[in-house]
Amino acid sequence: EADIYQTPRYLVIGTGKKITLECSQTMGHDKMYWYQQDPGMELHLIHYSYGVNSTEKGDLSSESTVSRIRTEHFPLTLESARPSHTSQYLCASRPGRERDYNSPLHFGNGTRLTVT
Amino acid sequence: AQRVTQPEKLLSVFKGAPVELKCNYSYSGSPELFWYVQYSRQRLQLLLRHISRESIKGFTADLNKGETSFHLKKPFAQEEDSAMYYCALRSLSGQNFVFGPGTRLSVLP
Repeated sequence: EADIYQTPRYLVIGTGKKITLECSQTMGHDKMYWYQQDPGMELHLIHYSYGVNSTEKGDLSSESTVSRIRTEHFPLTLESARPSHTSQYLCASRPGRERDYNSPLHFGNGTRLTVT
Repeated sequence: AQRVTQPEKLLSVFKGAPVELKCNYSYSGSPELFWYVQYSRQRLQLLLRHISRESIKGFTADLNKGETSFHLKKPFAQEEDSAMYYCALRSLSGQNFVFGPGTRLSVLP
C-alpha cells in the first residue's frame, strides 16, 4: 500500500549518542519534509528536499542533517543528541510535478524522541 | 513575514452545538490555506483546502481576505470531531507550508 513510514515510533536515548530517524515513502513523491513539533505547539520546518541529491534547511535552526540518495528515502541524523532535541519529528511528502502544485502534505506517524 | 495564528489552544463545545475554529494569517499575496486534523493516535491529515471549496465531514472554511481569516466551521459538532486542528498556509515560494499552533477541539456528550 502506498504510504509514508517513519521508524522508530518512540526512541529514548542518552546524551551524546548518534541517531538516525528513518522516513520512507512509497508514493513516488519528489518532495519530502521534516518537521519538529513540541507538544501543543506549531510544526516547524527543519529540512526539506525537492528530489534526489537536493536538500535544504528549513525555517527552524536545527543541528540535524538529512540526505536524499533515493527518492523514497529521507533519513534525518543527529550526530550528538542532547536533551534539547527532545521533541516529536514528523516526516511528510507531496508530489513534485507541476500539475500537483496544489497537492497537500502527506504525513507519517512521527517519531517521538526523548534524550536523557 | 508569513504567519498563521490560532488564538484558541482549547475549544470545548457540547455535541450538537455549532463550532468555529479561528485562523488568521499574515501573507503578502494570494494565499493558499489548508486545515489539517489529527485524531487521537492517528497521523496528521488534510481536512480541507480553500481552493476546493469543499465540505468535509460537515466542516467548511471560507477565506476572508479582508479579515485575513480562514475560520473552520461546523453547524452541529459530533463527538468524533474531537481532535487537534491545524491551520496552514502555503509559503510564497509555493513549496513549503507554515502551520499555526493548533487548536484542540473537545466535543462533550
